Amino acid sequence: LAKTTQPISMDSYEGQEVNITCSHNNIATNDYITWYQQFPSQGPRFIIQGYKTKVTNEVASLFIPADRKSSTLSLPRVSLSDTAVYYCLVGDIRDNYGQNFVFGPGTRLSVLP
Amino acid sequence: DSGVTQTPKHLITATGQRVTLRCSPRSGDLSVYWYQQSLDQGLQFLIQYYNGEERAKGNILERFSAQQFPDLHSELNLSSLELGDSALYFCASSDNGHDNQPQHFGDGTRLSIL
Repeated sequence: LAKTTQPISMDSYEGQEVNITCSHNNIATNDYITWYQQFPSQGPRFIIQGYKTKVTNEVASLFIPADRKSSTLSLPRVSLSDTAVYYCLVGDIRDNYGQNFVFGPGTRLSVLP
Repeated sequence: DSGVTQTPKHLITATGQRVTLRCSPRSGDLSVYWYQQSLDQGLQFLIQYYNGEERAKGNILERFSAQQFPDLHSELNLSSLELGDSALYFCASSDNGHDNQPQHFGDGTRLSIL
């Protein structure tokens, strides 16, 4: 099972672009990369998912290099409401009994005015 | 609103007691996941059910058990409670239970052991 490593915390200012990188050196061929956002006392919320290259949706972009050993979540023009913990999760698409869903410690993003 | 409903929102009990946490998945989702989140441990995967059957097991203690019923709601039973069991317990659901499917989380049950 791929283990992930992210920065523990990051600070940014309103209006800036924020890039959070996740390392997953042991990612397997069938693994997808998924990012979640969590506010205090709330459940994590799905942000974006990808397998390779670049994925973009209405809230974020996800960049995955060719070797897939890392991924970068990009949040354009952050606001104060983007202050949260961001988790990178790497999972296997196979129907594999015993597969764990391992959330790392996440990255605590603080957006300052 | 994720569509996942957890009850109760808060639960206060004493050591040695037993409690049951309930989760209703999003309409149409067949898979349910349980997680524990404490201040010093982060999000810990406990167990997954798919269409009534256990699919995957994580760091779930023997004192804990879960099941998924025919109507797809799930219950997490915690027994012989200890102070260290105080945590937020989250339920999540996904449509088919494959690991690449995004999970949709409820807002959790906060369990406090006195």
